[in-house]
Amino acid sequence: DARVTQTPRHKVTEMGQEVTMRCQPILGHNTVFWYRQTMMQGLELLAYFRNRAPLDDSGMPKDRFSAEMPDATLATLKIQPSEPRDSAVYFCASGLGQSATGELFFGEGSRLTVL
Amino acid sequence: AQSVTQLGSHVSVSEGALVLLRCNYSSSVPPYLFWYVQYPNQGLQLLLKYTSAATLVKGINGFEAEFKKSETSFHLTKPSAHMSDAAEYFCAVSLSGGYNKLIFGAGTRLAVHP
Repeated sequence: DARVTQTPRHKVTEMGQEVTMRCQPILGHNTVFWYRQTMMQGLELLAYFRNRAPLDDSGMPKDRFSAEMPDATLATLKIQPSEPRDSAVYFCASGLGQSATGELFFGEGSRLTVL
Repeated sequence: AQSVTQLGSHVSVSEGALVLLRCNYSSSVPPYLFWYVQYPNQGLQLLLKYTSAATLVKGINGFEAEFKKSETSFHLTKPSAHMSDAAEYFCAVSLSGGYNKLIFGAGTRLAVHP
C-alpha cells in the first residue's frame, strides 16, 4: 500500500529550538509539496520540488525555514529557530507531476507545537 | 492569479439529507478543479476532479460535482448524507503547467447529525 510517510507525527518543542520534519514520498513520484495548515490561514503552500529541484518556495519564511530533497526518497523541512507562531500541522504531499490534473497524495501530517 | 472561495466554513445536515458544499473559482484561463476530504487527524484524500472532460464529475463515496463556467462554480453534492461523511472538505484549483501545484480554499467543515 503506497503512501506518503511523515515523521514525526507530533512534536512539542520550545521557542528557539531547531525542528526538522521528514517526508518519504511515494516511490516513483517526482513532485513533492510542503503545506502548512492552521485554523487562521487554512492550507498554505510553503514549497515544492520537481525531480528534487526546488520550483517555488515563495510561501516560506526564508529567514527561518528551509526545505531540501537530499535524495528522491527524502524531503526535509527545517525551522531554525522555531517560534510559537510556527505551531501548525505540516503536510507533505507527492505526485507524478506529469500534468496539472494529477492527484496529490498526502501524508498524515506532522503536528508541531512551539511553546 | 487563480483562487477558490468556499462559501460557508461550517455546514450541518441531518443524516439522509442532501449535502451541498459551495466552491467558486477565479481564474483567467480554464482551471482544473478538485475536491479533497480530510478526516480528523488525517491527511487529505482526493474525492473527485474536473479536468475539462465531462462537466458533471462523479467521485468516491457517492459525491459528485458540476463545473459551471457561467457561474464560475464547482459545487459538491451528495443526495443523502451519512454519518461517516462528517469531515472537512477542501476545494482546490491548479493550472496547466503547474505540475500538480494546488491552491486550496479555506475548507468547509461538514457535520452530520442523526
